[in-house]
Amino acid sequence: QKEVEQDPGPLSVPEGAIVSLNCTYSNSAFQYFMWYRQYSRKGPELLMYTYSSGNKEDGRFTAQVDKSSKYISLFIRDSQPSDSATYLCAMRAGAGNNRKLIWGLGTSLAVNP
Amino acid sequence: DAGVTQSPTHLIKTRGQHVTLRCSPISGHKSVSWYQQVLGQGPQFIFQYYEKEERGRGNFPDRFSARQFPNYSSELNVNALLLGDSALYLCASSSGGGYGPLHFGNGTRLTVT
Repeated sequence: QKEVEQDPGPLSVPEGAIVSLNCTYSNSAFQYFMWYRQYSRKGPELLMYTYSSGNKEDGRFTAQVDKSSKYISLFIRDSQPSDSATYLCAMRAGAGNNRKLIWGLGTSLAVNP
Repeated sequence: DAGVTQSPTHLIKTRGQHVTLRCSPISGHKSVSWYQQVLGQGPQFIFQYYEKEERGRGNFPDRFSARQFPNYSSELNVNALLLGDSALYLCASSSGGGYGPLHFGNGTRLTVT
């Protein structure tokens, strides 16, 4: 079993839809959770950075962490065609070098006008 | 503010050759990390440097080496290139003693023929 599981999709939604992207993990020690967006031929762009459980909102994006279920989510409200990209989750247990940052494989999202 | 910059953007090499990739971090960031990303997968950790010292090394052969300069810029070197080294090479910088979230450049796409 991989430490982090992420459905690769592809996920296709109409413009304006609410998008839910998810990752599950097996290591209960993970405390820091990140979501990145990656456009084709570009580097990953940090969207959300959260510590421990709870919700964090930034504009149309909301990140949720449920440590009891070992499940994290990224919600995108009022999705736009410009949101079409691959979304990667990443997480680690605590302070330490980036070797310990574990990545999902990414979910490909297409928002259709 | 300038983000993480990488050069060159694209590179084509033949098997057995050597390559040097360059990275300039975000101003004020003292930590640089290198990642390899193959299509359809998350980034794979290669190295992290902080204050010119190697902080971590991933599971890559000794053909891969890196260094960080006094101005915090960094080079990744790969010797004796193999076809399997073809990938997007990403550089990321971070603040907070190197423990903050990663901010990526747009990468160098290396093709080995």
